[in-house]
Amino acid sequence: AQKITQTQPGMFVQEKEAVTLDCTYDTSDQSYGLFWYKQPSSGEMIFLIYQGSYDEQNATEGRYSLNFQKARKSANLVISASQLGDSAMYFCAMREGVSGTYKYIFGTGTRLKVLA
Amino acid sequence: NAGVTQTPKFQVLKTGQSMTLQCAQDMNHEYMSWYRQDPGMGLRLIHYSVGAGITDQGEVPNGYNVSRSTTEDFPLRLLSAAPSQTSVYFCASSLTGTGGEAFFGQGTRLTVV
Repeated sequence: AQKITQTQPGMFVQEKEAVTLDCTYDTSDQSYGLFWYKQPSSGEMIFLIYQGSYDEQNATEGRYSLNFQKARKSANLVISASQLGDSAMYFCAMREGVSGTYKYIFGTGTRLKVLA
Repeated sequence: NAGVTQTPKFQVLKTGQSMTLQCAQDMNHEYMSWYRQDPGMGLRLIHYSVGAGITDQGEVPNGYNVSRSTTEDFPLRLLSAAPSQTSVYFCASSLTGTGGEAFFGQGTRLTVV
């Protein structure tokens, strides 16, 4: 079974609008971390935002926020006021603590295109 | 502030050749890992290490070997390259625990002909 599922291979959004990128996860562990990374066309991986499983508040970092719904096992990324520079591939990732290995597992990604 | 240094950036191999992708980090991170990125498949974990002398397999370990003799270095060896190993490879490091963000190398674009 997929640990991290990103169901949107591609998304379009108009500049200055908000967009939500979906991510669902599967774990039986109580302690885990959820992450989002951005990969622009240049190829590097850029960390955006982190949410811990015990955090009660949704994480926010500037224009990025993580809509964490624990019961539904979803961790959607919300980008407000989209900019042309937000066009990139976005990956959701999870770290579980159950085995003590803290493996990083990534989803298949969502390619976002911001339209002028 | 070097972070994670991954070399080479590009490599072309012939089928059957072997090579080593180098990865070094200067952040004293215990956790290091190797991924391959293929279109439509995201980043798939090849091998990882939670500290010097400790390595384990990820999702797609076949055809690859790793070792971790120091905290800083985590090389990935391709034993006998195959066209199916054509991919972009990323090395990453992080603190252990569920909250450590991953720091990535620049990636290696490998083509096996």
